[in-house]
Formats: sequence, C-alpha cells, structure tokens
Amino acid sequence: ETGVTQTPRHLVMGMTNKKSLKCEQHLGHNAMYWYKQSAKKPLELMFVYNFKEQTENNSVPSRFSPECPNSSHLFLHLHTLQPEDSALYLCASSQDPRRETQYFGPGTRLLVL
Amino acid sequence: GQQLNQSPQSMFIQEGEDVSMNCTSSSIFNTWLWYKQEPGEGPVLLIALYKAGELTSNGRLTAQFGITRKDSFLNISASIPSDVGIYFCAGRILYNNNDMRFGAGTRLTVKP
Repeated sequence: ETGVTQTPRHLVMGMTNKKSLKCEQHLGHNAMYWYKQSAKKPLELMFVYNFKEQTENNSVPSRFSPECPNSSHLFLHLHTLQPEDSALYLCASSQDPRRETQYFGPGTRLLVL
Repeated sequence: GQQLNQSPQSMFIQEGEDVSMNCTSSSIFNTWLWYKQEPGEGPVLLIALYKAGELTSNGRLTAQFGITRKDSFLNISASIPSDVGIYFCAGRILYNNNDMRFGAGTRLTVKP
C-alpha cells in the first residue's frame, strides 16, 4: 500500500457508541493530522502529532480522543458523539509540521444518529 | 482576519471553457497551495507556491502567488469533464509556519 490510508471509509454510529478511526501513512513522514470536513466549510484542523507527540489540539471536545502509537499510525477514538459531529474526517501526513505539503487520506464519512 | 476567502463558491461551465478561481486574505502568507478533491476522496495537491509573484503550471492548471502575499489564483484552461471536483486553496501564514488555513472550496461542474 502507498500513501495515506484510512479505515473505515464509512461509519454510522449512535450517540452512545464508542468507535475508532484509523489512519496509516506509508510515506515515512513524521507528522500526522486529523481534520474535520463539513459541507461548504473550510477544513478544520483538529489535532497535530509530530514524532508521536501531540503538538496541537484546536479546542476539540473531549469526546474526540486521538492516539498516535508511532509515526505511521494515528487513531481517533470517538465516544458519545453528537449529530453535529457528522462529517468527513480526513487524516493527513507531512515530513514535519512546518512542511507545506500535506498528503491526505480518502477520509472516513461519519454519520452520528 | 486570518481566514481565507475563496471564490466563487461554485461554477458551472461548458467543456472547453477556461476557469478562474481565487483566494484572498487580510493576512500575509508565505505559502499557497491548491488542492483538488473528488467525491469520496481526500484532497490531492495540485500546485504549491512559495514566492510572491511566482507563477507555476501543472498541465492545464496555472496558479500564481500574489505580489501582496495576500492572494492567489488558480486557472484551468480548456476544461474537460474530469476536472469536476472541489478545488481548495490553502496557505501558511507568515511567521506562523504551523498555521495552515483552508478556503471553503470552489465546486466545479463541467458540462460535456
């Protein structure tokens, strides 16, 4: 596999469920990102990890919990979500957080009922 | 202040027509990027610009980094149906290299 992969591609969950999104990058990058993409709105940066350490948390509610066990893998654990959390969640990676070129995965389309 | 204003929001054009879209901000950027996102996929980088005034082409696509560092445009010449998608601008704010901002996107529809 090459590039950035994300699983699952689609997810439907109830507000009381716990689920996790997975991202894997095969580019040898050190920085990984989670973005939220809602219709007709700019991409919203959620979290940044550099060398497995979280360097940014853009005031994301605690019902979203990221985990970065190594530079190649990034998870987003979801718990007690709200319907307004329904969106496309995109993972990206770059050589380091200051590098302009971020490579995106295909995203996970999340629907919270 | 630091938001990117991307326009137009959407465009409906005939195959073969040229397309132009732009992004502006009140902040100064040191990098401008243009991405394309197709349905069901993540954004794919098209062009990256690093210097004020820089004009870069990628096939039928041409993008420029504005002289004021506060704007950028993307042109697509002789559009074809596979140009359909959402085009996003993104930029890194000067003196804050970790801060990348995205425009809301231009949705392009090309009629054969």
